[in-house]
This record gives sequence, structure tokens and C-alpha cells, in this order.
Amino acid sequence: SYVLTQPPSVSVAPGQTARITCGGNNIGSKSVHWYQQKPGQAPVLVVYDDSDRPSGIPERFSGSNSGNTATLTISRVEAGDEADYYCQVWDSSSDHPDVVFGGGTKLTVL
Amino acid sequence: QVQLVESGGGVVQPGRSLRLSCAASGFTFSSYGMHWVRQAPGKGLEWVAVIWYDGSNKYYADSVKGRFTISRDNSKNTLYLQMNSLRAEDTAVYYCAREGGGPYEAENWFDPWGQGTLVTVSS
Repeated sequence: SYVLTQPPSVSVAPGQTARITCGGNNIGSKSVHWYQQKPGQAPVLVVYDDSDRPSGIPERFSGSNSGNTATLTISRVEAGDEADYYCQVWDSSSDHPDVVFGGGTKLTVL
Repeated sequence: QVQLVESGGGVVQPGRSLRLSCAASGFTFSSYGMHWVRQAPGKGLEWVAVIWYDGSNKYYADSVKGRFTISRDNSKNTLYLQMNSLRAEDTAVYYCAREGGGPYEAENWFDPWGQGTLVTVSS
């Protein structure tokens, strides 16, 4: 089965840039989606199809995907960005489509 | 606005059954695929199952295959998850989520998500 690997934690000072990676075999050939989850809340979509932003998501959130790594970039980080972030893809390598989530990355704003 | 509201969670003994519901509003329910995703306490997200907009296709995670059944009633704008032979490791918050993209699309992102319902499997 397909595996997505995220760093458990990323720390960044306010105003700086946070980069959260999502590694997977030839992930650049897949569409990657990213979710933000704050404590006690449901996940919220922040980037879809590698680099598109849903309405209402700040331009500070951006994404890229190439080779074996997808990256969620948060510019000018704010205290309110502190949350868990998950990447997600669909995998069709088995006899049926499967949804795969990364293990999640806890973003800490110092 | 688009809204998803889960219900049916609770405490259940191992080996017993439980049915979750997800009431949808604010969009044409019958035009969208729907998912169940769960999150064990303190853990990450785990996809559980998907059902196509018309119920024609259903897929499950290996961890629940043969025990859980996803279904929908488009006349009631409601998604279901029948959970049988429950195990301690099924303890989690269960979220329903709508398939992203346009009507009748599949294999996209999840947006929006419901607020979740907690299932605790314990004797």
C-alpha cells in the first residue's frame, strides 16, 4: 500500500515561513491535498490539487508537488496557524482505489 | 451553507454493532460522493470508506472491510455507516466528509467535513 511520510513536528517563529513536507514514491504523479486541524475541531481543506486554495483560505497558504515530495508552505506565519496538518492522496495501485493520509505534522508557532 | 451533521456515536461493547448517520444540507446530496474518516484519540486521520454519488461503488479500508458497510439514502439526504463486530481499535471520532470538486466527480479531496461523532468500544 502507498505510504505518505510527514515530519511529526515543525516549529517556526511568527512572521517566518513554515514548510511542511509530505513524502511518497513518485508523489509528483498524484494530486495532493492538505488539511488543517485545530484541537477539538474537524479538519479543514487548505490546499487541493497540489497548489489550489479553496475560497476563504489566505494566500499565505500555498502548495507544490514534484518528484517524491509535496510541500505545504505557510508564509508570514501567525499564531492562529498553529495546528496539525495532513496531506492526502488517492492510490489506485491495488485492485480498488484507496485514500491515504500522511501521519500529520504539528505546527508550533514559537 | 453546506452542512454535515453526524450522529449515532456512543459507548458500545466489543463485538456489538452501531450505526452512524450523517445528515447533509445546503447542497444536492445525490450528486456527490461521500466518505467516512476516523481519528483515534491522539492519532492521525484514517480513511474508512467511500460511496459514489449514486451508491454504485463502495470502497473500504482494509481495517474495516467485511465489518463496516457504507450506505446512503438520497431521498433523506443521509449517509450511514453500519459498524459490526466492533473492536477496541475502532474507538475514534468518526467524521463524514463530502467529495470535493463538482457534482458526480470522484477521487478528489474532502470538503467540507462534519463535526464528528465519538465511538468508544469498551467493555
